[in-house]
Amino acid sequence: GAVVSQHPSRVICKSGTSVKIECRSLDFQATTMFWYRQFPKKSLMLMATSNEGSKATYEQGVEKDKFLINHASLTLSTLTVTSAHPEDSSFYICSARDATSGSYNEQFFGPGTRLTVL
Amino acid sequence: SQKIEQNSEALNIQEGKTATLTCNYTNYSPAYLQWYRQDPGRGPVFLLLIRENEKEKRKERLKVTFDTTLKQSLFHITASQPADSATYLCALYTYGQNFVFGPGTRLSVLP
Repeated sequence: GAVVSQHPSRVICKSGTSVKIECRSLDFQATTMFWYRQFPKKSLMLMATSNEGSKATYEQGVEKDKFLINHASLTLSTLTVTSAHPEDSSFYICSARDATSGSYNEQFFGPGTRLTVL
Repeated sequence: SQKIEQNSEALNIQEGKTATLTCNYTNYSPAYLQWYRQDPGRGPVFLLLIRENEKEKRKERLKVTFDTTLKQSLFHITASQPADSATYLCALYTYGQNFVFGPGTRLSVLP
């Protein structure tokens, strides 16, 4: 149980286009999902916290208009990178908390999405 | 300023030995600390959680200690195997804040 999927796993796009990344909790309900960004050989940096049915909370320095987050259901959150530029190239990882289990403290991570902007 | 450090960027050990990874933090008061494993190109996988009032946790060949006075957690893998080779991340959770991850230690277990 507690599986989180991400789609796509890899995406290459041209500069100026927008890219949408989906994060799904497959076998549990996730009231909270997190979006992270990871540079090569670096740790995860939290970008935003996504709560179902409400606006996302962005970390300091993360542009909310650049990284649009939608959490419309208990099993799906999306991250849209708008007007992508080469510096947005990175590994994006989502995670989810199982709202109904006793393991509230545990995050389940998706497999990540490698974004390359040409 | 707040900081999380993991002892080394990379650690090489011989198969069968015990690997010890360190996580030190500054200016945090974590409610609990977690350890994750991350393989290249994959998301992290949860391994162990230890709370601020716990000294030690074990799970199979894994052991975690937590010393809130030293502001340090140690992560041990006993009888290490080449399959244990991965990057290991520590993460702190503080009430009112979100998880903060350390930079990770890349462990290589040599056959």
